[in-house]
Amino acid sequence: EAGVTQSPTHLIKTRGQQATLRCSPISGHTSVYWYQQALGLGLQFLLWYDEGEERNRGNFPPRFSGRQFPNYSSELNVNALELEDSALYLCASSLGMGGLYNEQFFGPGTRLTVL
Amino acid sequence: AQKITQTQPGMFVQEKEAVTLDCTYDTSDPSYGLFWYKQPSSGEMIFLIYQGSYDQQNATEGRYSLNFQKARKSANLVISASQLGDSAMYFCAMRPSEYGNKLVFGAGTILRVKS
Repeated sequence: EAGVTQSPTHLIKTRGQQATLRCSPISGHTSVYWYQQALGLGLQFLLWYDEGEERNRGNFPPRFSGRQFPNYSSELNVNALELEDSALYLCASSLGMGGLYNEQFFGPGTRLTVL
Repeated sequence: AQKITQTQPGMFVQEKEAVTLDCTYDTSDPSYGLFWYKQPSSGEMIFLIYQGSYDQQNATEGRYSLNFQKARKSANLVISASQLGDSAMYFCAMRPSEYGNKLVFGAGTILRVKS
């Protein structure tokens, strides 16, 4: 069974540009989560999508946005890039909502570098 | 406030010895879940072990066990018989309620296993 996949592996952009990151969940998973991991820091929750809807959002500015497609894959868009957006962006997927033990399976991440 | 605290930025352990990684948490919800993840240098997050707030017994998964002390709000990870491949970053995380699905992560502990 294929795991969570993310593309691209690395992305280099300049300040002010837009970045688009992609994630494909495990087959059968309807929930997709996005986390940001800045260098030396823990993961910060960004967004949660389930069944095509945004369900929850972390404490990030509106220039971080995304969507979930009918096949449950997801896209994270970061507009007007700033230097501090440089980080590893991790996508995770899980079965739908509900339950404390709803394990999130993580992808390998996209490393975004803003110059 | 929902928060995870990992007070050990880095730990060393001799191969074949046991090591305890500390984690304390804060949540006002009586129903929550606690997770430990391992992050090797490749960046991917690997799920290790889960403990639910209502679980009576400490969770165990192979060489991993979770020392859950609810009154102290601590959920320490114990790795027995350390191996060189255990060298990685370890994150404690919490699902702070049965609803919402996001995970709150600590800052992580870097573990280095010495031969």
